[in-house]
Amino acid sequence: DGGITQSPKYLFRKEGQNVTLSCEQNLNHDAMYWYRQDPGQGLRLIYYSQIVNDFQKGDIAEGYSVSREKKESFPLTVTSAQKNPTAFYLCASSILAMGTGELFFGEGSRLTVL
Amino acid sequence: AQSVAQPEDQVNVAEGNPLTVKCTYSVSGNPYLFWYVQYPNRGLQFLLKYITGDNLVKGSYGFEAEFNKSQTSFHLKKPSALVSDSALYFCAVRDIQDTGGFKTIFGAGTRLFVKA
Repeated sequence: DGGITQSPKYLFRKEGQNVTLSCEQNLNHDAMYWYRQDPGQGLRLIYYSQIVNDFQKGDIAEGYSVSREKKESFPLTVTSAQKNPTAFYLCASSILAMGTGELFFGEGSRLTVL
Repeated sequence: AQSVAQPEDQVNVAEGNPLTVKCTYSVSGNPYLFWYVQYPNRGLQFLLKYITGDNLVKGSYGFEAEFNKSQTSFHLKKPSALVSDSALYFCAVRDIQDTGGFKTIFGAGTRLFVKA
């Protein structure tokens, strides 16, 4: 089955540590996205990528980094510079198609800082 | 910049009754509008979208939405609610970037409770 796989589903981190969240898709989609979800705030865009080896900052990119070395993969690193990293992180992909394509989401990764 | 607003944090409805979840938008140009649903600790699932054409859009699980240009609204509706419809619903709009790329902007979400 085609889809998006995020791992790990749950992750605990000590303050000062970097962590990397994995996102893999086999939908052959060009565009991939990372969103952060906090209660009552909806989804906020962290980074997005429309083509391999290229990515753009979203609205809350500070303290995060990404790479897009393969079309299928778009890992997100939460660095120690992120002041409040505890959140639910969602990866998504879409076809570009002039912006009309809907987003396909993974099941999310819940990061808790101890 | 494009934006969407969901004026209700929560909607309560009895099973079997019609439901409406409200969304208003602010866009320049033609709006590309979407509805998604999220169940607890899960990713979002696409329900339906409006790109162009008929103002009444039909989607998954019996949901539909009406695009109203004069009222800048895109309300989600279902004729008869089910307990299993209880979830968090997000309205979204596609924003076109100066770079030619696209990103999706989400509303804050509306929690729907359907009581048996």
